[in-house]
Amino acid sequence: KAGVTQTPRYLIKTRGQQVTLSCSPISGHRSVSWYQQTPGQGLQFLFEYFSETQRNKGNFPGRFSGRQFSNSRSEMNVSTLELGDSALYLCASSLNKLAGLQETQYFGPGTRLLVL
Amino acid sequence: SQQGEEDPQALSIQEGENATMNCSYKTSINNLQWYRQNSGRGLVHLILIRSNEREKHSGRLRVTLDTSKKSSSLLITASRAADTASYFCAPYSGGGSEKLVFGKGTKLTVNP
Repeated sequence: KAGVTQTPRYLIKTRGQQVTLSCSPISGHRSVSWYQQTPGQGLQFLFEYFSETQRNKGNFPGRFSGRQFSNSRSEMNVSTLELGDSALYLCASSLNKLAGLQETQYFGPGTRLLVL
Repeated sequence: SQQGEEDPQALSIQEGENATMNCSYKTSINNLQWYRQNSGRGLVHLILIRSNEREKHSGRLRVTLDTSKKSSSLLITASRAADTASYFCAPYSGGGSEKLVFGKGTKLTVNP
C-alpha cells in the first residue's frame, strides 16, 4: 500500500499570500489529521477530518482552515500568511474503524513552508 | 487527548549501547503510542500499547506501560547510528477523535 503523500514538499511564499497544502491518506483510511511543527512550539495539532467533517480543531486562528473530500483526500489552507507560519506541516491518516478507539496514525513526509 | 512528557530531553550514547527514554502523563489512558522523527521528516509510528497491556516488543524496541505510575518507557537495544532521531510519546484518553498531543520529545544521538 502506498503511504501518506503530501504535496508540495517545499514551498516558499511571501507575507500576505495564501497557500493550499494537500494530503492523500493511505487507501481506506477515513481520518486525516494535520499538525504544525516549529522549533519553538513543537508539534501542534491543527485539525482532524473524518468522513468530510471536521471532528476536532486545535487552537489556531481562523486563517487556518481545511477540508476533506469524499475520497478522504484533504487540503489545508492558510490565508494571509505571516512569518510565524513558517513550519513543517504534517498530515496523518488512520483507519478509525472503531469509534472512540484510537488507532495507529501514519504520517506523511510533510510540507515545509517558508514565509518570507 | 493529553500531552505526554518525555524524559530525558536529550540522550547521547555510543553505538551498541541501550537507550531508555520515559514518558509520563496525567490522567488515565486508553492507549499510548511512540513515534520517531528523523531530522526534518515525518513521524514514523513505532508501537501502540493499550492500557491493558504491560509490555510490548517490536524488533529491538521494548515498550512498557505502568498505568499505576502513569508512565511508559521505550527501550532501544543495541542502538545504531540510524536510531538517531527524536522520539515522542502520545497518550490517548478517548473521545473519538484521532488528535494526538505531543510533548517536546527525547532527542537521541547515537555516536558511531
